[in-house]
Amino acid sequence: EVQLVESGGGLVKPGGSLRLSCAASGFTFSTYTMSWVRQAPGKGLEWVSSISSRSSDMYYADSMKVRFIISRDNAKNSLYLQMNSLRAEDTAVYYCARGSLHGDVWGQGTTVTVSS
Amino acid sequence: QLMLTQSPSASASLGASVKLTCTLSSGHSTYAIAWHQQQPQKGPRFLMKLNIDGSHNKGDGIPDRFSGSSSGAERYLTISSLQSEDEADYYCQTWGTGIWVFGGGTKLTVL
Repeated sequence: EVQLVESGGGLVKPGGSLRLSCAASGFTFSTYTMSWVRQAPGKGLEWVSSISSRSSDMYYADSMKVRFIISRDNAKNSLYLQMNSLRAEDTAVYYCARGSLHGDVWGQGTTVTVSS
Repeated sequence: QLMLTQSPSASASLGASVKLTCTLSSGHSTYAIAWHQQQPQKGPRFLMKLNIDGSHNKGDGIPDRFSGSSSGAERYLTISSLQSEDEADYYCQTWGTGIWVFGGGTKLTVL
């Protein structure tokens, strides 16, 4: 079964850091571009970042370009998102998704809450 | 700027059909899009990729009740024989070089 499972979310203070993980199974992870998408409470989907299959290309939404770092470990079938200098407006459910043009497989998400 | 516009809400009766609309921004009318469904408290689910000519490629296990079509800058998702589990948020999505763009989503209520 093709599956993506996110982890690493939690409560963090403004200015803090958090590292999210996404464990992939059921497909050849190393051949797919992967992405992070977030959803603030009661809001729509917002693309965060994407990384190519061999990590040669990384892309970020403008508001996250300096603070977030996407990476992957193909040997571990895992995708990561390092989030620094977190703000209240980063509070959201973070989803990982497979695919370069669009997400064709999605995880269930991990919740990040930024609050003092 | 690449943008997608969706109506915030739609409603239709159980067993009826509904057509949701996603409009591409000016200058981007040839773009393909994807439709995703998000049921309450769940992650998104890929429904289909929809091309300018109306051809579409559905995700695994997506019922025949879901279909797509296109006209100019508009992309449509039609759901026929509505069921209660179709009550969900529906998002269209498109892409450029290294960027994904989502529409604001349409909340579908099944009456």
